[in-house]
Amino acid sequence: DGGITQSPKYLFRKEGQNVTLSCEQNLNHDAMYWYRQDPGQGLRLIYYSQIVNDFQKGDIAEGYSVSREKKESFPLTVTSAQKNPTAFYLCASSMDGGTANTGELFFGEGSRLTVL
Amino acid sequence: AQKVTQAQTEISVVEKEDVTLDCVYETRDTTYYLFWYKQPPSGELVFLIRRNSFDEQNEISGRYSWNFQKSTSSFNFTITASQVVDSAVYFCALSEGSGSRLTFGEGTQLTVNP
Repeated sequence: DGGITQSPKYLFRKEGQNVTLSCEQNLNHDAMYWYRQDPGQGLRLIYYSQIVNDFQKGDIAEGYSVSREKKESFPLTVTSAQKNPTAFYLCASSMDGGTANTGELFFGEGSRLTVL
Repeated sequence: AQKVTQAQTEISVVEKEDVTLDCVYETRDTTYYLFWYKQPPSGELVFLIRRNSFDEQNEISGRYSWNFQKSTSSFNFTITASQVVDSAVYFCALSEGSGSRLTFGEGTQLTVNP
């Protein structure tokens, strides 16, 4: 079945450690996104990529890094510079990020990161 | 800057009641798109509807209906005869122009009790 796979589903990290969240899609979508969800704050955009080897900062990019070496993969690294990393992270994709896009995002099931 | 406000943080209803989820948006663009997504307990968001700014026609899909009013910058979502399976967090979202970079509201937690 086509879709978006995020792993791991749950992750615990000690302060000062970097951690990488995986996001893979087999929908042949050009655009991919990372959102952070906190209680009462909805979803906030961290990074997005409209094409391979290119990505842009979203609204809360500080303390995060991404790469887009393959169309189907868009991993997110939460670095030690992120002051409050405990959150639920959602990866999404869309057909493309331009005028042809319907705006419909397809989401993974999320990764819950807890910093101990 | 664009903004989406969902003033209702939590709503609790009894099965078969109708319920309306409010969404108010702000944008300076004349071309924009509005969305509703559902987030069940499993976590992934599910697309429900997309509306462009030039189409104010209300839409009905089964028990779901949407009321778009540009005059009040609102895009409200009504569930008729609610069911327990409707329990979820519902997000309203906005994108400006032609891109798919969405701004989400804070979400409304809907609980439908049997």
